[in-house]
Amino acid sequence: SQQGEEDPQALSIQEGENATMNCSYKTSINNLQWYRQNSGRGLVHLILIRSNEREKHSGRLRVTLDTSKKSSSLLITASRAADTASYFCATDPTYNQGGKLIFGQGTELSVKP
Amino acid sequence: NAGVTQTPKFRVLKTGQSMTLLCAQDMNHEYMYWYRQDPGMGLRLIHYSVGEGTTAKGEVPDGYNVSRLKKQNFLLGLESAAPSQTSVYFCASSSRWEALDNEQFFGPGTRLTVL
Repeated sequence: SQQGEEDPQALSIQEGENATMNCSYKTSINNLQWYRQNSGRGLVHLILIRSNEREKHSGRLRVTLDTSKKSSSLLITASRAADTASYFCATDPTYNQGGKLIFGQGTELSVKP
Repeated sequence: NAGVTQTPKFRVLKTGQSMTLLCAQDMNHEYMYWYRQDPGMGLRLIHYSVGEGTTAKGEVPDGYNVSRLKKQNFLLGLESAAPSQTSVYFCASSSRWEALDNEQFFGPGTRLTVL
């Protein structure tokens, strides 16, 4: 079963606006990661936040993690047309072995120029 | 460095045919994974390997077999393809030495159609 559920499933914004995507999960985790997938391509790792961290920044990306609510959000500031892609959260559950991640269904982001 | 590569990129099979998808990585990673991606389903783990000579089942292993004879290669086999196996297949790898930061590196994918 899918660990992560993402919201919204699709998001359409104008260039320059901020985009916020949310991820909820079910079990305790070691970390939560966000990946990006351009159409027809493989996933690319964006950012990782550990279970003892609450917020992390990387360039225009800001990730928050609330372990009490089992939720995370990814904020992309000042979006660009090139940010158009699908974004997936992935969790590393504490019960897992072998470095496995469990992926959500993704949010499809469209940034219009 | 090529990272993670997958062969082939596209393939069309008839029901009942067999094929092998090859994944290769040049990052000396211990862990390797095979996923399938279907519309609205996200990525689902088929099989994975924590080292040369070892494999384990993931979430959706039925109809697939895998082998990891060499550390850098992870093969996914379909013995008798079915239309339900039409999907995009992704291989990924990660390092066991980055225990707290187990970022996965993905290949470009193989688009498989079973008629």
